[in-house]
Amino acid sequence: GESVGLHLPTLSVQEGDNSIINCAYSNSASDYFIWYKQESGKGPQFIIDIRSNMDKRQGQRVTVLLNKTVKHLSLQIAATQPGDSAVYFCAEKGGSNYKLTFGKGTLLTVNP
Amino acid sequence: DAGVTQSPTHLIKTRGQQVTLRCSPKSGHDTVSWYQQALGQGPQFIFQYYEEEERQRGNFPDRFSGHQFPNYSSELNVNALLLGDSALYLCASSRGGGTTEAFFGQGTRLTVV
Repeated sequence: GESVGLHLPTLSVQEGDNSIINCAYSNSASDYFIWYKQESGKGPQFIIDIRSNMDKRQGQRVTVLLNKTVKHLSLQIAATQPGDSAVYFCAEKGGSNYKLTFGKGTLLTVNP
Repeated sequence: DAGVTQSPTHLIKTRGQQVTLRCSPKSGHDTVSWYQQALGQGPQFIFQYYEEEERQRGNFPDRFSGHQFPNYSSELNVNALLLGDSALYLCASSRGGGTTEAFFGQGTRLTVV
């Protein structure tokens, strides 16, 4: 069945370091992936997305990498800041599905 | 440009009662999806509305129902509330029938006592 999971439930980094958050998915029909950031008490905030016809996409301080061969997705955050502290979710959609399927999330803590 | 707005932000209900949650999509968006997020978990898809019809439904009982209005806003109704329905309910909107990125509202925190 469909599932999206994260390798690490928590990640602690020093301010200024680069962060890498990983995600595995199992649905080979998935063709669209999104990373969300969720701060405490708030709804998920769209960070960046990528379609399956790409393997890399860059935004402001963030890069998403997609490896369809091993069904792996990663989010790289450059020069991590305290404001980046949050739970990060990857989500996927594909095939005949209109829904987004989320993993459990990774808690990123940035130490000053 | 207002993003996705949900109301109310917090709600306390008694077991067995009924609740209605509301969502206004982001300007230009025509598709609304509802998600339930339990504490410490990722959001779980409830259903999606497009062109005023329920287009896809997740694994939720019939106690969960919804509606989409001609202005694309939406309501989520939950009947016969259970303690386990306590969660953050999120609304997400998108364009083109859900084929583009989905933007979420801040959610409604429902507590059933």
